Amino acid sequence: GAVVSQHPSRVICKSGTSVKIECRSLDFQATTMFWYRQFPKQSLMLMATSNEGSKATYEQGVEKDKFLINHASLTLSTLTVTSAHPEDSSFYICSANSLAGPQETQYFGPGTRLLVL
Amino acid sequence: AQSVAQPEDQVNVAEGNPLTVKCTYSVSGNPYLFWYVQYPNRGLQFLLKYITGDNLVKGSYGFEAEFNKSQTSFHLKKPSALVSDSALYFCALLDSNYQLIWGAGTKLIIKP
Repeated sequence: GAVVSQHPSRVICKSGTSVKIECRSLDFQATTMFWYRQFPKQSLMLMATSNEGSKATYEQGVEKDKFLINHASLTLSTLTVTSAHPEDSSFYICSANSLAGPQETQYFGPGTRLLVL
Repeated sequence: AQSVAQPEDQVNVAEGNPLTVKCTYSVSGNPYLFWYVQYPNRGLQFLLKYITGDNLVKGSYGFEAEFNKSQTSFHLKKPSALVSDSALYFCALLDSNYQLIWGAGTKLIIKP
């Protein structure tokens, strides 16, 4: 089946630093990648939709200058949390739609746990 | 407006008993519905989906879900629960932009 990886799986950083999270589709090309954020014991919140070669579409309330998304290829999207603060601590999950597969199925990465001290 | 509701924050079931995790939805047009599971400290895993066809959909790990159009429901079921089924379960609806609309999640606790 389609596999999506995320790196790193966990990251701890100091307040004010920037953190980059990678999302890769390992065995398929992804037309679209999505970035979600999950707060403890809460549902996922869609942050942005990323299409290869174009600017990401951000959901209302998500700061695009704080959460930079780059989708440079059909297999890689990155989320950079700039000038991270403790309130940015969360579980970040990406997902991808397969170029060849049914568009209705999203394949999820394992998630990245970010802790900002 | 399209929406998904999971009315139970938590469901407790004894091991070996049947389990049901409820999901209702609201959509104009035909629904595309999904169930995902999240184990502790891990990302989401796809369980099953309903696009069209039989109302009873079978998925991973012995789970199944029944699509009921008249009740606008898509409840997740398993005939015999395992302790390892304990996790957070999310119901989701696909909107016209192929983005998922998520339920709030239901914590399933299976007691030995």
